[in-house]
Amino acid sequence: GQQLNQSPQSMFIQEGEDVSMNCTSSSIFNTWLWYKQEPGEGPVLLIALYKAGELTSNGRLTAQFGITRKDSFLNISASIPSDVGIYFCAGPSLEYGNKLVFGAGTILRVKS
Amino acid sequence: GAVVSQHPSRVICKSGTSVKIECRSLDFQATTMFWYRQFPKQSLMLMATSNEGSKATYEQGVEKDKFLINHASLTLSTLTVTSAHPEDSSFYICSAISGGDTGELFFGEGSRLTVL
Repeated sequence: GQQLNQSPQSMFIQEGEDVSMNCTSSSIFNTWLWYKQEPGEGPVLLIALYKAGELTSNGRLTAQFGITRKDSFLNISASIPSDVGIYFCAGPSLEYGNKLVFGAGTILRVKS
Repeated sequence: GAVVSQHPSRVICKSGTSVKIECRSLDFQATTMFWYRQFPKQSLMLMATSNEGSKATYEQGVEKDKFLINHASLTLSTLTVTSAHPEDSSFYICSAISGGDTGELFFGEGSRLTVL
């Protein structure tokens, strides 16, 4: 099936630092989604991107839809302890009947 | 915002028994719901698409007789893990689209199944 390559796999950062993670694909996506999942919970949507080049913010989070439509990044500024969790990129795959496919996730841990 | 609720959140069962997990859309109608499975430290893998009033569509490699899906109403889909075995232990998550096919996808809280 369609693969989304997400990196880094995990990050252990100091509180207050900025964080950046990204996703790439060999195929074009028309929508990029970023989710956060906390332990024992389902994913919660953070940011949705619908247009190539789009840059969208949600509080301390900023995400961009790459111009080529094959990549997206998520930045978290001034991280705080409650940012810990697993962050997933996702998108409806055109090759997969528009079903949602997920990246492998980025585990974020914040040291206070 | 739209809410999707799963029940139970945790279940422990003996090998060979069947377990039913419910997924409800609390404030919207969902003709389509999705069931995912997530193993520890891994991503979500789509198991099946649940269609109200018709048969579910299973992804390759997912046994339809093992994972029975029933979408009897516009707000409820159930996943039954039949004759569960320890390798079926996983986190099962459902999702539903609010606002038609182009609406936002909301996820349930997940159900952790442990088979002893």
